[in-house]
Amino acid sequence: GESVGLHLPTLSVQEGDNSIINCAYSNSASDYFIWYKQESGKGPQFIIDIRSNMDKRQGQRVTVLLNKTVKHLSLQIAATQPGDSAVYFCAVSNNFNKFYFGSGTKLNVKP
Amino acid sequence: DGGITQSPKYLFRKEGQNVTLSCEQNLNHDAMYWYRQDPGQGLRLIYYSQIVNDFQKGDIAEGYSVSREKKESFPLTVTSAQKNPTAFYLCASSQARAEAFFGQGTRLTVV
Repeated sequence: GESVGLHLPTLSVQEGDNSIINCAYSNSASDYFIWYKQESGKGPQFIIDIRSNMDKRQGQRVTVLLNKTVKHLSLQIAATQPGDSAVYFCAVSNNFNKFYFGSGTKLNVKP
Repeated sequence: DGGITQSPKYLFRKEGQNVTLSCEQNLNHDAMYWYRQDPGQGLRLIYYSQIVNDFQKGDIAEGYSVSREKKESFPLTVTSAQKNPTAFYLCASSQARAEAFFGQGTRLTVV
């Protein structure tokens, strides 16, 4: 199986600062990793993904870092905005069989 | 528009009743999933299906049943055997080796 955990249930940042959200997983065979954003009462939305053959991937204002040695994944959001306030989940998959989710980090952006 | 449609958005169930949650996708995805989300928690996998006429139990399948008679449809029945059904239910679909896309969820409440 797989166990996925997040380091902080809540993260508060000032608008304009960078945010870092962390995730740890247990199965060294996991090979596909996704970050989702979930706003209240809605389904999760895809943000960015990374496969196990990469260490870093960048999107628009977001970067995902993967450290397979310590089984750790992080999401960095640059210049955090009020619209980034949401719960962020990492999802982990082994050979795309099924996805395991962490418990989520709630990001609060202070104006 | 392509996407995943869950209905109804809100559902109320009396004790001892079975209820069925609908999930339809027009993304032509092979795999479909049902997750349960409790307040402040992550997503837990109930059932998943990787191909028509086949499905597997997830981590919390007891008290639930599914069918996959058509590629685009994956309904979930919450039976009277599920002792604590009040939760937010999310349906997702994915294509091979790609991220899962989510519907907007159904909030089920026992009255």
